[in-house]
Amino acid sequence: DIQMTQSPSSVSASVGDRVTITCRASQDINSWLAWYQQKPGKAPKLLIYAASSFQSGVPSRFSGSGSGTDFTLTISSLQPEDFATYFCQQAKSFPLTFGPGTKVDI
Amino acid sequence: QVHLVESGGGVVQPGRSLRLSCAASGFTFSGHAMHWVRQAPDKRLEWVAVISYDGSNEYYADSVKGRFTISRDNSKNTLYLQLNSLRPEDTAVYFCASGFGGGGVRSWFDPWGQGTLVTVSS
Repeated sequence: DIQMTQSPSSVSASVGDRVTITCRASQDINSWLAWYQQKPGKAPKLLIYAASSFQSGVPSRFSGSGSGTDFTLTISSLQPEDFATYFCQQAKSFPLTFGPGTKVDI
Repeated sequence: QVHLVESGGGVVQPGRSLRLSCAASGFTFSGHAMHWVRQAPDKRLEWVAVISYDGSNEYYADSVKGRFTISRDNSKNTLYLQLNSLRPEDTAVYFCASGFGGGGVRSWFDPWGQGTLVTVSS
């Protein structure tokens, strides 16, 4: 199985801050990576797929990069609605696996 | 507007069974692979199973293989998950999600339903 790790597990930030979250795969997954945002009591929402492609409607302050084993999600200027938990997910092979999540709070 | 609505969750004793449903609307259900993903109380997400657009292929997480069965009825725009031999560690919110992009059954998930809670406890 491909193991996904994320760092940090949590980050405290302020509105306007630049936030970077890292995701690492245990083996090469090319660009088979997605990022999701989840708010309390809600389902995850797809933000980025294929490592760097925006899902429709996602604000441009979100960006994704990386390939192989190392990936990043960057929020260029944190907005109040961005406080949430972020997960990465690989789709290179079964079982499809998620990272443990990074909580972004104030 | 795309909608996925899960139902069928509840409290069940270990060893018992449950069937979850996911009603889809607002998109061509029969054209998409469909997944079940669960979220345990510690908030970790775990992919559970996927079924191809036509029902011809299924894949499962090892943790549920042989106990859970995914199926679909394209005439009813509905996805199912039969949960047998339930264990306390199966306690989670179960989400259905449409496959998006990727490579057929290997894909990302969008959109998601709101989830249905399954609690396995004596």
